[in-house]
Amino acid sequence: EDQVTQSPEALRLQEGESSSLNCSYTVSGLRGLFWYRQDPGKGPEFLFTLYSAGEEKEKERLKATLTKKESFLHITAPKPEDSATYLCAVPLQGGNQFYFGTGTSLTVIP
Amino acid sequence: EAQVTQNPRYLITVTGKKLTVTCSQNMNHEYMSWYRQDPGLGLRQIYYSMNVEVTDKGDVPEGYKVSRKEKRNFPLILESPSPNQTSLYFCASSLLAGGPNEQYFGPGTRLTVT
Repeated sequence: EDQVTQSPEALRLQEGESSSLNCSYTVSGLRGLFWYRQDPGKGPEFLFTLYSAGEEKEKERLKATLTKKESFLHITAPKPEDSATYLCAVPLQGGNQFYFGTGTSLTVIP
Repeated sequence: EAQVTQNPRYLITVTGKKLTVTCSQNMNHEYMSWYRQDPGLGLRQIYYSMNVEVTDKGDVPEGYKVSRKEKRNFPLILESPSPNQTSLYFCASSLLAGGPNEQYFGPGTRLTVT
């Protein structure tokens, strides 16, 4: 069964305390993995697309990596403005239907 | 400004009263989709459209209808809303269908059915 699982559900970090969020998937024939950021009361905002195992992408304090079974979103020296829910998503075969994980709610304390 | 717009943003209605949530994008995107977001369940796809007049069911289509008569618009129709359709709804679009293209999301519509 196709599944996307994110962990942890919630994460509290002190400002500057680096950590990683996990997204594991069991989708056959991966056609890309997406990371989104969602602020309270707003729609998700695109961060990264990863296409193949070993690929890495960076944006400011965020770095996303991909293996054959999971993806990590590494947050280096986070700031309070990084507080948000981070979602990962994968397209199913055909590329038109998407499964989203339930997200990791990140809180960065000053 | 490139964007996806949804209306209304907030809606409180009663069981059985038909309603439509509109979605429009100004980016000439081929692909559009509707999601609902519920606590603990995350974003679940309701319907999607690969292009004009081409739509298909997502994970949770029961109780919803869609149509895609124009490229820019993708309304979500609830013919007979029920309380279990109380949720936060998002419309999204992406440039192309059938590939790993990032989606652009609207601001959301919070629907309450009493």
